[in-house]
Amino acid sequence: EAGVVQSPRYKIIEKKQPVAFWCNPISGHNTLYWYRQNLGQGPELLIRYENEEAVDDSQLPKDRFSAERLKGVDSTLKIQPAELGDSAVYLCASSPTGTGRISGANVLTFGAGSRLTVL
Amino acid sequence: AQTVTQSQPEMSVQEAETVTLSCTYDTSESNYYLFWYKQPPSRQMILVIRQEAYKQQNATENRFSVNFQKAAKSFSLKISDSQLGDTAMYFCAFRETSYDKVIFGPGTSLSVIP
Repeated sequence: EAGVVQSPRYKIIEKKQPVAFWCNPISGHNTLYWYRQNLGQGPELLIRYENEEAVDDSQLPKDRFSAERLKGVDSTLKIQPAELGDSAVYLCASSPTGTGRISGANVLTFGAGSRLTVL
Repeated sequence: AQTVTQSQPEMSVQEAETVTLSCTYDTSESNYYLFWYKQPPSRQMILVIRQEAYKQQNATENRFSVNFQKAAKSFSLKISDSQLGDTAMYFCAFRETSYDKVIFGPGTSLSVIP
């Protein structure tokens, strides 16, 4: 089974430039997450999707960040314009949708991440 | 709001020894899940072990086990017979049963010394 696929793995851009990250979740996983991980810190949720719907985007800086998940599968996270403080690893994760005591429904599978450096 | 705290930014252990990583959390929920994830250097995050709050028995996965103290809101990870491949960042995470948001702690950097 293919895992969560992210691209690009590394991106270096000048500040004020746009950048986009792509994520392909595990087949059948309806829940998709975008996290930002600063160096030496834990992941912080940016946005969570249930199928096509963004159900939690309270931590997404909407003035410069946008995301979409067309057809409820792949997702794209965009930053425009990028700032120096956006340098981080952007992690995508997916999980089966479901709550309660359904085994396996609560584990996140992560991609390798996209490391962004803003100069 | 739920929070997850890991009070040990860095730890080290001799190869073949046992080490315990600490985690505390804060929630008003009674049903939830707790996780330990491992992130090796420059590699992706993977699940180590999972505990469901309604289960009193502590979870065990080979050399990894947890000490879950629900009343104290404590969830520590014990690694027995530490191996060089255990060197990684370890993140404690919390997830409500009724809500799919997963909250991570700040992590503990574990180094296994030969």
